[in-house]
Amino acid sequence: DAKTTQPNSMESNEEEPVHLPCNHSTISGTDYIHWYRQLPSQGPEYVIHGLTSNVNNRMASLAIAEDRKSSTLILHRATLRDAAVYYCILRDKRYGAGNMLTFGGGTRLMVKP
Amino acid sequence: DVKVTQSSRYLVKRTGEKVFLECVQDMDHENMFWYRQDPGLGLRLIYFSYDVKMKEKGDIPEGYSVSREKKERFSLILESASTNQTSMYLCASRTTGLPYEQYFGPGTRLTVT
Repeated sequence: DAKTTQPNSMESNEEEPVHLPCNHSTISGTDYIHWYRQLPSQGPEYVIHGLTSNVNNRMASLAIAEDRKSSTLILHRATLRDAAVYYCILRDKRYGAGNMLTFGGGTRLMVKP
Repeated sequence: DVKVTQSSRYLVKRTGEKVFLECVQDMDHENMFWYRQDPGLGLRLIYFSYDVKMKEKGDIPEGYSVSREKKERFSLILESASTNQTSMYLCASRTTGLPYEQYFGPGTRLTVT
């Protein structure tokens, strides 16, 4: 199974950009890269996804390395509400048609005022 | 706004009791999931269902069963609750096809005493 590696924790100052890295050196050619985040006392929520090209949405940007072995989630201006655990996930084909999303440990982002 | 709701935010049960955790989604999704989340272990998949009356075991199905009689409702059953089933339980549902964006409920914190 393709796995991801993320730092356990990161700190950022409010209103500064944050770059959250993810390594996935065993990614397969058809794996999508998904990012979810989990705010305190809530279920995870979808942030962004991509395959090969960089992606932008209202929440964040996703930069994908040319060889796809790593990616970076970019929060352009961190706010206190962005303090959460961020998960980088690859689509998991173990269950056939189910195509599971397997959550690892994630990165705990702390935002300082 | 898409919604996944869970029947309780907090639940306290005694060892040996039969416990039902209910999950309802309003997005007409075929796929639904039950996870548990424990400190240091991340989210682990218990069961999932890709259609009414269809179910598949996840990574940790022992001690649990599920029921999906209607498309919008997916129930997790603890036949005889034990203290090691004290955990946060998260339900999710997902679109069919790519990119498999998954929507989570708020979670049920179950304590078995």
